[in-house]
Amino acid sequence: EVQLVESGGGLVQPGGSLRLSCAVSGFTVSSNYMTWVRQAPGKGLEWLSVIYGDGNTYYADSVKGRFTTSRDNSRNTLYLQMDSLRAEDTAVYYCAKCLSYAFDIWGQGTMVTVSS
Amino acid sequence: DIQMTQSPSSLSASVGDRVTITCRASQIIRRFLNWYQQKPGKAPKLLIYATSSLQGGVPSRFSGSGSGTDFTLTISSLQPDDFATYYCQQSHSTPWTFGQGTKVEIK
Repeated sequence: EVQLVESGGGLVQPGGSLRLSCAVSGFTVSSNYMTWVRQAPGKGLEWLSVIYGDGNTYYADSVKGRFTTSRDNSRNTLYLQMDSLRAEDTAVYYCAKCLSYAFDIWGQGTMVTVSS
Repeated sequence: DIQMTQSPSSLSASVGDRVTITCRASQIIRRFLNWYQQKPGKAPKLLIYATSSLQGGVPSRFSGSGSGTDFTLTISSLQPDDFATYYCQQSHSTPWTFGQGTKVEIK
């Protein structure tokens, strides 16, 4: 069964760091484009990053230089390292698999709250 | 960055109505346009990719069209399960971007 399961969310203080994980089953992370998308409470969807099969990564301007997307092929897991967190980073974070440049399989999401 | 503008932001419709949602890109994106449906508390679901290709398992009452900068999602006969928020998303060039969403409510 194809499944993506995010974890690692929680409460963090402004300026802090958090690492989200996206455990994948049913396909190989390294053979697919993988992406992160977030949704602030009551707001729309915001694309954050993509990691291509060759390992290249691209980011939204809002997180460039603060967030890093990586993967562990041995664990078949995608990561989002989030540093210098701000209140406006409070959101549900989703990982998703890309197919034909669309996001066809999504995780259930993990909530990140940035607050003192 | 490519800006995506959806209209309307919300609409009220009845079961059986034909519903059309439009999405305009700030520059030409050829056919790199996808549509998603999201229900409260749930992850988005891919409906249509590459402007008009129906994702597997999605009912045929959903269809997409357009090219260049102007795109349309049509629900031919609205069903109770279709009340949700719909988002367009361009994948022509990074940063990939979403429209602001269109909430479809029951009239």
